[in-house]
Amino acid sequence: QVQLQESGPGLVKPSETLSLTCTISGGSVSSGSYYWSWIRQPPGKGLEWIGYTSYSGRANYNPSLKSRVTISVDTSKNQFSLKVTSVTAADTAVYYCARESVLPAIGPFDIWGQGTMVTVSS
Amino acid sequence: SYVLTQPPSVSVAPGQTARMTCGGDNIGSKSVHWYQEKPGQAPVLVVYDDSDRPSGIPERFSGSNSGNTATLTISRVEAGDEADYYCQVWDSSSDPRVFGGGTKLTVL
Repeated sequence: QVQLQESGPGLVKPSETLSLTCTISGGSVSSGSYYWSWIRQPPGKGLEWIGYTSYSGRANYNPSLKSRVTISVDTSKNQFSLKVTSVTAADTAVYYCARESVLPAIGPFDIWGQGTMVTVSS
Repeated sequence: SYVLTQPPSVSVAPGQTARMTCGGDNIGSKSVHWYQEKPGQAPVLVVYDDSDRPSGIPERFSGSNSGNTATLTISRVEAGDEADYYCQVWDSSSDPRVFGGGTKLTVL
């Protein structure tokens, strides 16, 4: 079955760039039936959608984060990635990658990675 | 931007029925998805498109959506159902995905 796995540094310094990668196994990022999203959850708070990429690299972002976020896809590695620039303590969160069904219509996030904790601290 | 409102907490005794609401402007015109999140675990989809269940989710989980309120209902609640539950929609006006603030279900 399809599985997602996040990877990247668990500690990032303020003002630097947070970079995470999601590796897909048991399926292909090149499937046109899905978008690939990043979602985060600050400690003790709710879920926040960050943005998505399609297999072709078409992306869309949460307006509240749009100026600092880039999501990209690497079909050769079956991965997609997240970059958040100029991080502050408010970006400390568990970061999840997730698959969203988009055919025949925009659907739910049906598969999630296990999540990775990222702390912003000097 | 579109806002989803969930009560912070719901409590229910084992064997009873838990109902959790998700409020939004004309939410009945949107497809609502529900996720269960247990401590230290990734969210799991329990209801999608208002009332459909993924394979492996017990029939005790059901959903409805009309007007300005969507509802997740858990029948014959078990201790293992204790978790946070989030509703989520796609805001077609500008394409973002929106989550509610979550409801903590406590099984007494």
